[in-house]
Amino acid sequence: QQQVKQSPQSLIVQKGGISIINCAYENTAFDYFPWYQQFPGKGPALLIAIRPDVSEKKEGRFTISFNKSAKQFSLHIMDSQPGDSATYFCAAGEVFNKFYFGSGTKLNVKP
Amino acid sequence: DTGVSQDPRHKITKRGQNVTFRCDPISEHNRLYWYRQTLGQGPEFLTYFQNEAQLEKSRLLSDRFSAERPKGSFSTLEIQRTEQGDSAMYLCASSSDALLTGELFFGEGSRLTVL
Repeated sequence: QQQVKQSPQSLIVQKGGISIINCAYENTAFDYFPWYQQFPGKGPALLIAIRPDVSEKKEGRFTISFNKSAKQFSLHIMDSQPGDSATYFCAAGEVFNKFYFGSGTKLNVKP
Repeated sequence: DTGVSQDPRHKITKRGQNVTFRCDPISEHNRLYWYRQTLGQGPEFLTYFQNEAQLEKSRLLSDRFSAERPKGSFSTLEIQRTEQGDSAMYLCASSSDALLTGELFFGEGSRLTVL
């Protein structure tokens, strides 16, 4: 059973637009929901993360929206820039335990 | 602090050979994780250590795979009798209980190609 489902698989956005990536999880015991950004040939790097006691977290142009009852969370990238072009992974898990990753969304921001 | 270091970055081997990857975590990080990432997919958990103790192994980790973390510092991941299906990026990540969030810091990975 896939623990974390991510969509869309790929996304094309114009510069200045909003990029939205969605994830759904299965296990209600999960208490940590990070988003990672990965460039080709590099390891994933933490972008932003949220705990289930809040519904939204914003850091600069990046916002996580979290819906505990629906077991869903999403990443919004405001004012998307060509430098944001990368693959984004959502993940879910229990702190200090293993994380389950989504299958990734390849974002292409057109100049 | 130089981040998580992995070696080698690339390894090409023939089917049936053994390979070993090394991971040096961020100093003072007591937790160390191994993940595997195939092309176009997210990382999949393989195993993790708290200090020198291996706390969990994924069912993905067949008996050809073994991981160690002697003295709770660096870790090695060995794959015996490699198969073409082992071709992937092997990612190491470290974390610290002091961070409270369990945030994972990933290395740049070791890419394995089995011919």
